[in-house]
Amino acid sequence: DAKTTQPPSMDCAEGRAANLPCNHSTISGNEYVYWYRQIHSQGPQYIIHGLKNNETNEMASLIITEDRKSSTLILPHATLRDTAVYYCIVRVGPNKIIFGKGTRLHILP
Amino acid sequence: DVKVTQSSRYLVKRTGEKVFLECVQDMDHENMFWYRQDPGLGLRLIYFSYDVKMKEKGDIPEGYSVSREKKERFSLILESASTNQTSMYLCASSSEQGEPQETQYFGPGTRLLVL
Repeated sequence: DAKTTQPPSMDCAEGRAANLPCNHSTISGNEYVYWYRQIHSQGPQYIIHGLKNNETNEMASLIITEDRKSSTLILPHATLRDTAVYYCIVRVGPNKIIFGKGTRLHILP
Repeated sequence: DVKVTQSSRYLVKRTGEKVFLECVQDMDHENMFWYRQDPGLGLRLIYFSYDVKMKEKGDIPEGYSVSREKKERFSLILESASTNQTSMYLCASSSEQGEPQETQYFGPGTRLLVL
């Protein structure tokens, strides 16, 4: 089972920041938080990951709370091409990724 | 950028046919994985490989086999395709073995229909 909880869907206006929350209250000390997204009929795309500190790359920012029980993925200026299912994942082992149901993000024009 | 490619985006086969799905990565990654993705079931690991000629069973290996003759290539074989193997097949690769920070990069997927 996935160790994360995400809202099933969210809307965001084009050009605004999309903030996607994730709860992972049972995360252990050496587990990383990963975010992937999947655009319809395509393979999952890696976005970002982090352990304790906030992280930023060219795609997004990841904010992890101090207790590490939750995190937020931020897409700073959402576009229509960001419409996808976003998965928050806590690595549960070295061999496989367990995707939960994710959040379906709709970008509204 | 990491690039993982899969031989076909869409494939239609008949029951009983032998099916080969090919995956190639260009980042010299040691680890390669085959998953299938079905609505309501999420991603399920079929097989993975940590090195050339090495393979390990995942959660659902029945009806499948794999081949890794070269580091960059990982093939999934359906010896005798059945309708319940209709699915989206995803290949992934990663460079760190067994570390929590391992990042898997996925290919575009092959949507297989078995008639």
